[in-house]
Amino acid sequence: RKEVEQDPGPFNVPEGATVAFNCTYSNSASQSFFWYRQDCRKEPKLLMSVYSSGNEDGRFTAQLNRASQYISLLIRDSKLSDSATYLCVVNYPTSGTYKYIFGTGTRLKVLA
Amino acid sequence: GAVVSQHPSWVICKSGTSVKIECRSLDFQATTMFWYRQFPKQSLMLMATSNEGSKATYEQGVEKDKFLINHASLTLSTLTVTSAHPEDSSFYICSGEARGFYNEQFFGPGTRLTVL
Repeated sequence: RKEVEQDPGPFNVPEGATVAFNCTYSNSASQSFFWYRQDCRKEPKLLMSVYSSGNEDGRFTAQLNRASQYISLLIRDSKLSDSATYLCVVNYPTSGTYKYIFGTGTRLKVLA
Repeated sequence: GAVVSQHPSWVICKSGTSVKIECRSLDFQATTMFWYRQFPKQSLMLMATSNEGSKATYEQGVEKDKFLINHASLTLSTLTVTSAHPEDSSFYICSGEARGFYNEQFFGPGTRLTVL
């Protein structure tokens, strides 16, 4: 089983739509959770951290469910510029340090 | 956010040559730097974690003698791909973690390596 799993998509949605992505993780010792956005041939950029209480940043809402070991990202009122790959990232301690594990990403295409 | 640069941004080399990639944190001190590799349509795979002044910790399956990592200062880490082969062609991305900004990584723009 992969440490971090995501539906690769692509999710093709019309402008203005609401779209949700889920991500599951296998390591129960995971401590921090993030959503990153990656445009084609570019480096990932942090979209938002995910907190247990859930958090919102404009049109983006992230949720964490520790019991079920999944996190979600909701995008409301999709824009063409939201088209990208969304990476779920999980961080957990190991051998005195910690590791960031990336999911394979979910591709989103917002259509005019 | 903090800025990380990588040099070169792309490189084409012949099989058997060595390539050095530099990763610099421009406006913060990166106590920890991470090196990733990303093949087309795949996610980032962590290659190694390095802390300033100590040896890098390599992930399983990553040859430490092939991918030499040096983290000599708090603002510079280098990855040298020794005796590169076509299967080493990939997108190499570094990231730095700043002291006091735990759990947030700042990524460099990546280096696209093509080995002929």
